[in-house]
Amino acid sequence: GDSVTQMEGPVTLSEEAFLTINCTYTATGYPSLFWYVQYPGEGLQLLLKATKADDKGSNKGFEATYRKETTSFHLEKGSVQVSDSAVYFCAPNPLTGNQFYFGTGTSLTVIP
Amino acid sequence: DTGVSQNPRHKITKRGQNVTFRCDPISEHNRLYWYRQTLGQGPEFLTYFQNEAQLEKSRLLSDRFSAERPKGSFSTLEIQRTEQGDSAMYLCASSPGTSGFYNEQFFGPGTRLTVL
Repeated sequence: GDSVTQMEGPVTLSEEAFLTINCTYTATGYPSLFWYVQYPGEGLQLLLKATKADDKGSNKGFEATYRKETTSFHLEKGSVQVSDSAVYFCAPNPLTGNQFYFGTGTSLTVIP
Repeated sequence: DTGVSQNPRHKITKRGQNVTFRCDPISEHNRLYWYRQTLGQGPEFLTYFQNEAQLEKSRLLSDRFSAERPKGSFSTLEIQRTEQGDSAMYLCASSPGTSGFYNEQFFGPGTRLTVL
C-alpha cells in the first residue's frame, strides 16, 4: 500500500546553515506531493507542493522537487533562520483511493 | 476568522465515558478529514467526507469511533467508551474540490483529549 518515509529528527542547525529533510514515498501512480509545517503552538499549514514530475515547489526560501524516478520529495533551504524552527511533515496525496498519509515529522531547531 | 475551527480545544474525560468533538470547515470546502496525532508522530488518517458522504471509514480505529457530517457542513467525531489509549490530539482539516485532483488541506487547531 501507499506509504511515506521521512528523515527522523530532531535536527539542530546553526542559523544560516543548509537544510535537507529527506522524504521518499511509495504510491500507486503519481500522487501530488506536499510539505506541511507546524510552528510551535500552531496548527499544520501548507509549506509547499508539487503536482507532477519534475515540478519544483517553493515558499519562504524552502524548495522541493518532485523526483518520479526516485519517488522522493526532499525539502531544502539554503540558509535557515531561527524562525524556521518547527516540525516538518511530508505528505503524498493520492490521485486514487481515499486514504491520506503523513510522514512522522522532522523537528527542526535553529540556534542563533 | 474564516479558517477551520474545532471545539472543544481541550477535553478531559474519565475512562468509559463518551466524547464528541465538533469541526467547522472553511465554508466553501466540500471535503472534510479527521486525523489523530500522538506525540512525536504525524497525523494518522481516520476518515474523510465529501459533502455529507463518508467516502472512507476503514481507518477508524475501532467501532467505538464514528463520524458524521449530516448536512455537508460541520462534522462530529464521537468516541464511545473511551480508553486511556485514546488520549491524543484529534485534528480536522478541509479542502476544496469534488473529484480528481486533491488540493491542500487546511487544518484546524485540534482537540486535545486526555482520558484519565
